[in-house]
Amino acid sequence: QSVLTQPPSVSGTPGQRVTIYCSGSSSNIGSNNVYWYQQLPGTAPKLLIYTNNQRPSGVPDRFSGSKSGTSASLAISGLRSEDEADYYCAAWDDSLSGVVFGGGTKLTVL
Amino acid sequence: QITLKESGPTLVKPTQTLTLTCTFSGFSLSTSRVGVGWIRQPPGKALEWLALIYGNDEKRYSPSLKSRLTISKDTSKNQVVLTMTNMDPVDTATYYCAHDVPGLTGFDYWGQGSLVTVSS
Repeated sequence: QSVLTQPPSVSGTPGQRVTIYCSGSSSNIGSNNVYWYQQLPGTAPKLLIYTNNQRPSGVPDRFSGSKSGTSASLAISGLRSEDEADYYCAAWDDSLSGVVFGGGTKLTVL
Repeated sequence: QITLKESGPTLVKPTQTLTLTCTFSGFSLSTSRVGVGWIRQPPGKALEWLALIYGNDEKRYSPSLKSRLTISKDTSKNQVVLTMTNMDPVDTATYYCAHDVPGLTGFDYWGQGSLVTVSS
């Protein structure tokens, strides 16, 4: 049971916009930055979004992050087949004094 | 250019102690502003954070695994070592190490991962 809650799966067609939500609490998302990771099949996770809404160099602006209260979201616009991957949210948790991850969301591009 | 690479056994027996080494380059683990973390992923399952060590030797552990984990660093060798005692088949997973700038970038660079199987 993950501390952060994500939907197990989402899907969309090429060109569509999809949003993945991540729900937490006041001790994690509510008081700390949120990070998003993309994990392509058979590879290590890759940082996609840091400090809620910042993109590392090289990440397309089709990916955007936001945070409100104890929830966060990752939006992917102009969906492409290569976006098919697992996506994880993460945050520091003050109560646990550690990093917590969401259970991951599998994105399928139909 | 920051790189990290995990090394260690691919197979351990139940009750044994696992020792994994993360060898990194491109940064120095000598200030509180830099850290190295360990994260694992059982086959087909989600990521799970295990431990973090910062350059000032501050350490953090997953509460659920704290009694079994020890993280340490050798700054001169650019290495971080994770030991996990009393291994069980449920600990079978790919173990990753990752670079962290606390409160800022998250785990921005990851190793390729090391698959550890626990079986007799």
